Amino acid sequence: DAGVIQSPRHEVTEMGQEVTLRCKPISGHDYLFWYRQTMMRGLELLIYFNNNVPIDDSGMPEDRFSAKMPNASFSTLKIQPSEPRDSAVYFCASSLNLDRVNIYGYTFGSGTRLTVV
Amino acid sequence: DAKTTQPPSMDCAEGRAANLPCNHSTISGNEYVYWYRQIHSQGPQYIIHGLKNNETNEMASLIITEDRKSSTLILPHATLRDTAVYYCIVRPLGDPGTYKYIFGTGTRLKVLA
Repeated sequence: DAGVIQSPRHEVTEMGQEVTLRCKPISGHDYLFWYRQTMMRGLELLIYFNNNVPIDDSGMPEDRFSAKMPNASFSTLKIQPSEPRDSAVYFCASSLNLDRVNIYGYTFGSGTRLTVV
Repeated sequence: DAKTTQPPSMDCAEGRAANLPCNHSTISGNEYVYWYRQIHSQGPQYIIHGLKNNETNEMASLIITEDRKSSTLILPHATLRDTAVYYCIVRPLGDPGTYKYIFGTGTRLKVLA
């Protein structure tokens, strides 16, 4: 398996522009998580999906952030409009279901480094 | 969630064992100890987890004290590629969404040639 695939690896955009980050989870994983990492705040969970349904988005910082999972193999995190303080590395992670997740843990992608200028 | 305390940084000579401590004095009976690591510019990687017995896999060993208030992750023969930030996390077994991983600041391990 190729693991969790995120695109793009790097994104530089101007303030006010829309940014879309993409994630392809591992096939068969039931859970998908979006994290954000900054030097100041470390790794923060933004939102997670279970069987393509958003379950908890309490970590989403503002209404400018939205996430979707139209099918089991694809998810997006969108920021509109983007601001310089959104600059961070965004990670996507996927996980097996309840019965097996605690054996394998989460599998993280390589992240998208977002810079908003 | 129980909090964990880890030293901010450690050095280890290449080929020697790296012993990374973690304190979790308020751990609850149903909480497991998990270890992840994050190599520069990559996402966190699961290493190992345990409840109360010592655990070993191809990556590392986990030693949990009898009172479960602390644990040690052991990398038996550290290599330069083990240079990373190591996170110790405690959480209950169960729904990965309900029991989220809370990543602290971790220990930055530097393996020296």
